[in-house]
Amino acid sequence: AQKVTQAQTEISVVEKEDVTLDCVYETRDTTYYLFWYKQPPSGELVFLIRRNSFDEQNEISGRYSWNFQKSTSSFNFTITASQVVDSAVYFCALSEEGGNNRKLIWGLGTSLAVNP
Amino acid sequence: DAGITQSPRHKVTETGTPVTLRCHQTENHRYMYWYRQDPGHGLRLIHYSYGVKDTDKGEVSDGYSVSRSKTEDFLLTLESATSSQTSVYFCAISEGLAGNEQFFGPGTRLTVL
Repeated sequence: AQKVTQAQTEISVVEKEDVTLDCVYETRDTTYYLFWYKQPPSGELVFLIRRNSFDEQNEISGRYSWNFQKSTSSFNFTITASQVVDSAVYFCALSEEGGNNRKLIWGLGTSLAVNP
Repeated sequence: DAGITQSPRHKVTETGTPVTLRCHQTENHRYMYWYRQDPGHGLRLIHYSYGVKDTDKGEVSDGYSVSRSKTEDFLLTLESATSSQTSVYFCAISEGLAGNEQFFGPGTRLTVL
């Protein structure tokens, strides 16, 4: 069965600290996709990144980086030099290739508070 | 930003009344989804559509129905609203290829008294 676990419910850091948000997934498929979304206090859901199961290269986008490790079924998200604007709930999600449903399996989210 | 609008954005209604939420997209995406978001439960899929008049249930479909008569519109109906359906409802769209990301509307906050 597919499952996404974000074990950290809430994280609080001080501005400029680095912070890593963990995401562990379960799937039987060999082809699958992983996603991160951000939900700031304003409430909208913003797509951040997609990774497919055949691409284990780490991705960096500015202060954001993602570490995908199939060996540990993890897709962790690191924010370097955090800022107050990074305060949000972050969701990790999984999609499998098979079938027609194109559904996402969502983690419950990690609430990140970056304090000045 | 993907062109997705939801209406209304806020609604307060009474138990037992029917409610319809509308999602409208201008992206011509094939797939559309309705989610609800509640504290402690994350995002839960209610129904989704993979084409005009093609819909299927998600994990929390009881008490909800949907319709999609045009590519751009996906309606969510609460036939007889209950207080347990107080939630924030999000519509999402995707192109429908495997691995496509979903893009979300701004959400509708529904309160059932």
